[in-house]
Amino acid sequence: DAGVIQSPRHEVTEMGQEVTLRCKPISGHDYLFWYRQTMMRGLELLIYFNNNVPIDDSGMPEDRFSAKMPNASFSTLKIQPSEPRDSAVYFCASSLAATEAFFGQGTRLTVV
Amino acid sequence: RKEVEQDPGPFNVPEGATVAFNCTYSNSASQSFFWYRQDCRKEPKLLMSVYSSGNEDGRFTAQLNRASQYISLLIRDSKLSDSATYLCVVPGPNQGGKLIFGQGTELSVKP
Repeated sequence: DAGVIQSPRHEVTEMGQEVTLRCKPISGHDYLFWYRQTMMRGLELLIYFNNNVPIDDSGMPEDRFSAKMPNASFSTLKIQPSEPRDSAVYFCASSLAATEAFFGQGTRLTVV
Repeated sequence: RKEVEQDPGPFNVPEGATVAFNCTYSNSASQSFFWYRQDCRKEPKLLMSVYSSGNEDGRFTAQLNRASQYISLLIRDSKLSDSATYLCVVPGPNQGGKLIFGQGTELSVKP
């Protein structure tokens, strides 16, 4: 298996633009997590899905953030409009039956 | 108490030293715990799982103290390649599959 695949690896965008991050989980995994990592706040859970259904989105910072999982093999995290304080590394992870999670390589987002 | 709390370090140790990190958690119902390792500018990777009182894998030993609600990671005979950030991971409440990461403890092993 190729592991969790995220795209793009790097994204630089201007403030106010829409940003879409993509994730393909490991085949067969039933949980998918979106995390954000910054130096100041560490690794924060934004939202997670179980069997494509959002279970907990309490970590989503505000309405500018939205996440979808239309099927078992694809998820998106969208920021609209983006702001400089959204600059961070965004990780997607997947797991089977709520055991250990496997991470993608992350998307490094810079909003200027 | 925070859901997961770790000493951020950094821990600076010489090669060959033994070093231990602690992690405290608030959810007394948690059954499984994990230690992850994260190298600079890389994704976190699973180091060890802890499902009962502890686990050992070569130079690495993880121990769980349910009464005091902490887990520890012991690294013996540390190597330069052990330099990384070590993240403690605890399931969230309600057994819903949520995984909560600590802030991480930075380890730097020097020659």
